[in-house]
Formats: sequence, structure tokens, C-alpha cells
Amino acid sequence: DTAVSQTPKYLVTQMGNDKSIKCEQNLGHDTMYWYKQDSKKFLKIMFSYNNKELIINETVPNRFSPKSPDKAHLNLHINSLELGDSAVYFCASSTAGGNVEAFFGQGTRLTVV
Amino acid sequence: AQTVTQSQPEMSVQEAETVTLSCTYDTSESDYYLFWYKQPPSRQMILVIRQEAYKQQNATENRFSVNFQKAAKSFSLKISDSQLGDAAMYFCAYRFLYSGGGADGLTFGKGTHLIIQP
Repeated sequence: DTAVSQTPKYLVTQMGNDKSIKCEQNLGHDTMYWYKQDSKKFLKIMFSYNNKELIINETVPNRFSPKSPDKAHLNLHINSLELGDSAVYFCASSTAGGNVEAFFGQGTRLTVV
Repeated sequence: AQTVTQSQPEMSVQEAETVTLSCTYDTSESDYYLFWYKQPPSRQMILVIRQEAYKQQNATENRFSVNFQKAAKSFSLKISDSQLGDAAMYFCAYRFLYSGGGADGLTFGKGTHLIIQP
């Protein structure tokens, strides 16, 4: 039973298109995140969302927007895709109490052509 | 802002030997969490071990242990009896809190690619 699941695993699309990546967690966590891993494997946080507030990393273009229909989901919408958006995008979740470790989805490899 | 530095882009170790991956970080906080994550070729991010800064005792998980030196801001990972399945990218991460609220996130180092020689 997958704890954090993302769909799709792979996404190939043309420049200028709009796309979404879905994320669901069944751990009952109260905080969800999106991270971007670039071609050099560097991981950087994009968004942190805990039902009360959405924190956006200042380097994230406003073409990227997270949408949370409910506590278990945080989807990533990307408008007007650019070549530089090609990367692996990870969804993650955690809880404020306890060990605060983040559980990651399996990642979505986005390729913009 | 907190920074995490992994100075070894790549390390190689013989199977069954011991290897240590280094990580240093910079923070002005006194209480925080540190993690090591493993990313095998499957791309999945897997938690290896965690350390709470206020705990003096170094964390241990089976063959994995850390050497946490709070004053030196150092958090190295030791893998004993290396196995072929340990081959992966290893990321050191620092959990930070955004000011004014409960939102948090992880700052990652650039990773160390660990190769296991049979």
C-alpha cells in the first residue's frame, strides 16, 4: 500500500503546454511538499503546504502552482512549460509531530521538448 | 539561510568494507533535525537515518550510524559491511522551519554517489 503516490511517473510534453502532476498520501500527514531535482541531482524545495499556509520558494516561477483539493492531495500545475522545466519532481509529506521525517513519492520525470 | 555541504561527489568502497560519507551544515538554530536519504537508481527517496540535534547520542540503524558533532556542525554517515544494494546517491538533509509558522522543509546537500566494488 503506497504511502505517497504520484502520477504520472513519466511525462513528455511540448513547450508551451500546461500540465499537472497528481500527488496523494495515505499517511494522515498534515504537511505536503513539492521538490524539484535537476539534471545534476540537486534537490530543492518548491512548496510547503500544511492546510494553514502555503509557502512558496521565492525562486519558483509563478507558472507553477500547487492545488490542494483536500488534506491528502497536493497537485502541481505547470503553465506554459519551458525547456528548463525538465526535471524530476517529487511530492512528499510529513507530520509536525513525531520524527518529522518526510516520506517521498516515486517522482515524476518531466521532459519538455 | 541554512546550507548543507557534501564535499564528496563520489565515493567507492569494497563490498563488506566500511565507508564514511561526510556532511557539514550551517545554522544558527539550537534545535533541529538532520537526515540521510538514499536514492537508488529506482529514483525513490528512502530515509536511512535521522538525528535530533538535542540528543547527544549518535543515531544507529543496523549497519548505518552517524557521527554527529553539533559544535562542529558535522553529520557524517558510516556504512558498515557495505553491500551491493547500498549503491546509490546519498543525500544529507537539514529540516528547517519557515519563520512565523509551522511550515517546514528540507535543505539538501548535493549528494554523494556511492559505488560498491564487488
